[in-house]
Amino acid sequence: IQMTQSPSLLSASVGDRVTLSCKAGQNINNYLAWYQQKLGEAPKLLIYNANSLQTGIPSRFSGSGSGTDFTLTISSLQPEDVATYFCQQYNSWYTFGAGTKLELK
Amino acid sequence: QVQLKESGPGLVQPSQTLSLTCTVSGFSLTSNSVSWVRQPPGKGLEWMGAIWSGGSTDYNSALKSRLSISRDTSKSQVFLKMNSLQTEDTAIYFCTFMYTTDYYPDWFAYWGQGTLVTVSS
Repeated sequence: IQMTQSPSLLSASVGDRVTLSCKAGQNINNYLAWYQQKLGEAPKLLIYNANSLQTGIPSRFSGSGSGTDFTLTISSLQPEDVATYFCQQYNSWYTFGAGTKLELK
Repeated sequence: QVQLKESGPGLVQPSQTLSLTCTVSGFSLTSNSVSWVRQPPGKGLEWMGAIWSGGSTDYNSALKSRLSISRDTSKSQVFLKMNSLQTEDTAIYFCTFMYTTDYYPDWFAYWGQGTLVTVSS
């Protein structure tokens, strides 16, 4: 299943509300996860089942969507949120989007 | 707590076989599953394959002919072997923890730090 993320690069300021998009090539029944990868580190799970927050992840992160269209929202961007964000479907095996790189403006 | 750590050679010659080990702690390989995911430098993520808690395996169809995943439960280790390596196999290789016991919709809850493998002569 093809996963398409947009934009590929996003510049935002501290305190901004940030929205990242992920579209699946077919219905994935909300079997969607979001990961954060900081430079030189392994990916870290943020959200699973489209909208469930992983334990220990700040509440400024939230996920929404259903079917084929999904969104990761950061309610108030912090400097430590600079990273690349990947979505991943697990409805049919496992495929990832190409990522959105989030930088500070 | 769940921890995974990859180990293996940093450099492999073209056409040779890659062997990696994932040593886990904080869970049992007979209760949960482990997947391997790789990432070419500066690029995206690719699921390679999984070994389920019962010992069965599944592979990405694009890699199936070259890939083998096995384990030693007594040592809490999972092994990846991939043959006929080419330069495009240069990547960071991660092992990941999955809650599921068998193929079922599940996410990659915990990741090892990854190990960089360079394919070059």
